[in-house]
Amino acid sequence: DTEVTQTPKHLVMGMTNKKSLKCEQHMGHRAMYWYKQKAKKPPELMFVYSYEKLSINESVPSRFSPECPNSSLLNLHLHALQPEDSALYLCASSQGTSMVDSPLHFGNGTRLTVT
Amino acid sequence: RKEVEQDPGPFNVPEGATVAFNCTYSNSASQSFFWYRQDCRKEPKLLMSVYSSGNEDGRFTAQLNRASQYISLLIRDSKLSDSATYLCVGTRYNNAGNMLTFGGGTRLMVKP
Repeated sequence: DTEVTQTPKHLVMGMTNKKSLKCEQHMGHRAMYWYKQKAKKPPELMFVYSYEKLSINESVPSRFSPECPNSSLLNLHLHALQPEDSALYLCASSQGTSMVDSPLHFGNGTRLTVT
Repeated sequence: RKEVEQDPGPFNVPEGATVAFNCTYSNSASQSFFWYRQDCRKEPKLLMSVYSSGNEDGRFTAQLNRASQYISLLIRDSKLSDSATYLCVGTRYNNAGNMLTFGGGTRLMVKP
């Protein structure tokens, strides 16, 4: 079982909807990440939070808005998405904050479909 | 050129076979490398870290060749349950510093 928990597992939303993805970890990791993965492609980094502060935004469109309420939680707020945003959204955490020294621990992911 | 490149496969091998994957990287300053395994429609899971001295865990052996800038994963005595996509992870540099970056993955299918 993964130690990074994501909810919901599946989400279908219309292009005018507002929804949020949630991620939680209790391993005491100081860095948390959002990745997007399309079918048969590797995960693509979206955002990195280090010590609850946004440290990296990989030029992600503003219709994706991350939030880190505390060291254990990470949210991704979605608004006015497009069908091409349909993908598996993966949350990950790592013990270190250097972003290269520690392996990533992934959650089960949220499979998002935008209609 | 991609920072981390892998042969997408698929590699089709019989049970019990030995199979090896290579992964090349372009960032000569890369310090950290990992192999992840991803089953269909599941999240990636860490298989093993790759150290300069090599790393072995049961049937799995990972090695790093800095001179040629590649890492390898060797799987001995393949099991049906080894069927998955294997993702190589290296590092790339951007304005924020070094970041982990994924290769495209190599698909392995172990047949009875």
